Amino acid sequence: ETGVTQSPTHLIKTRGQQVTLRCSSQSGHNTVSWYQQALGQGPQFIFQYYREEENGRGNFPPRFSGLQFPNYSSELNVNALELDDSALYLCASSSSRDSNSPLHFGNGTRLTVT
Amino acid sequence: GDSVTQMEGPVTLSEEAFLTINCTYTATGYPSLFWYVQYPGEGLQLLLKATKADDKGSNKGFEATYRKETTSFHLEKGSVQVSDSAVYFCALKDSNYQLIWGAGTKLIIKP
Repeated sequence: ETGVTQSPTHLIKTRGQQVTLRCSSQSGHNTVSWYQQALGQGPQFIFQYYREEENGRGNFPPRFSGLQFPNYSSELNVNALELDDSALYLCASSSSRDSNSPLHFGNGTRLTVT
Repeated sequence: GDSVTQMEGPVTLSEEAFLTINCTYTATGYPSLFWYVQYPGEGLQLLLKATKADDKGSNKGFEATYRKETTSFHLEKGSVQVSDSAVYFCALKDSNYQLIWGAGTKLIIKP
């Protein structure tokens, strides 16, 4: 069974640029969610995708957008990067959007905006 | 809105000591409650969960009981080991499928 994989592991971007982060969900999982974790803090929910549609969103501006593909892999896109976007971005997959389904996390992508 | 508050760390204990990490929550409705753990250099892993009041989640010697009357979900372990050193996160999942997290508590166990 392949776990959740994220790419790249590290990324450095300049303010104003755009970035795309990728996530391959665990085999058999149809739900993917994305989180932003600033240093020393807990993760903040960005959004969740279930069967290619967004079905939940946290308090993030529209320049944070995403996609889920037919194979349930996912992308997180961030436009017009700001310095405060520097964080660890986590992807998690689960077998359903049900609140009782455990989340399986990837190791994250560390984004630095300069 | 919903929120989770957990005790600040780091928490430093000697091996075989008793562990409690406090977690309280504020929520409308009846959320599911979780403890996740992040070992050094690894991703977040589910440690245990409880889905309704008075449920007790347990795993690897850790336990937590969903207390609706005190809105708490404290993590306990009777005898900690050096290998338990990690960051522990308390979280709740609301009716919008959103997972809301505490800030995390770093646990350091000394031999």
